[in-house]
Amino acid sequence: AQSVTQLDSQVPVFEEAPVELRCNYSSSVSVYLFWYVQYPNQGLQLLLKYLSGSTLVKGINGFEAEFNKSQTSFHLRKPSVHISDTAEYFCAVRAAKSTGFQKLVFGTGTRLLVSP
Amino acid sequence: DAGVIQSPRHEVTEMGQEVTLRCKPISGHDYLFWYRQTMMRGLELLIYFNNNVPIDDSGMPEDRFSAKMPNASFSTLKIQPSEPRDSAVYFCASRRGPAGVFGEQFFGPGTRLTVL
Repeated sequence: AQSVTQLDSQVPVFEEAPVELRCNYSSSVSVYLFWYVQYPNQGLQLLLKYLSGSTLVKGINGFEAEFNKSQTSFHLRKPSVHISDTAEYFCAVRAAKSTGFQKLVFGTGTRLLVSP
Repeated sequence: DAGVIQSPRHEVTEMGQEVTLRCKPISGHDYLFWYRQTMMRGLELLIYFNNNVPIDDSGMPEDRFSAKMPNASFSTLKIQPSEPRDSAVYFCASRRGPAGVFGEQFFGPGTRLTVL
């Protein structure tokens, strides 16, 4: 089974500052990794995903994440945040098996609070 | 495309009442998921369907919860009788893709349920 740990429940940051949201996972098999964003009163939206290949993944809205297999991490970064980035961010993992349905396992979320 | 549609968006009911949440997945998607989001437990998968057939309902908390998918364009999640601890945001999501292949899950806006 897979599990995800998001170490920070809340990250406050000033506008135009860089930010990193941390995600660590646990799995005995190869995995796919994802970051989702949830804006207030909305459903989750896929930000980016790592399936294979380059460990640096670029997503929407200027976000990127780096897969580090040795550290079992998939931290999300943005060099300069905007007020509109205020949202809840979820890291998710699923087994990278080629057969059978693989369930997405979500972390508990990190609330990013961007202030002027 | 209209996206995943959920109704109602908000539901307030009294303990003991029956609650029915509704979901219309994206046309052509063959997987449908019901999730529950709470502060304490985060985002939990309750049940998922493939081609209208329930595949895994191991996440359904109790017999008070039931879900149906009578056709490819409609699903319901019913709680009878409801209890205050059922208060949460319930999300429906859908995806397209054969088993083992990553297909992005698209989430609906959620139904915020409050049981008094």
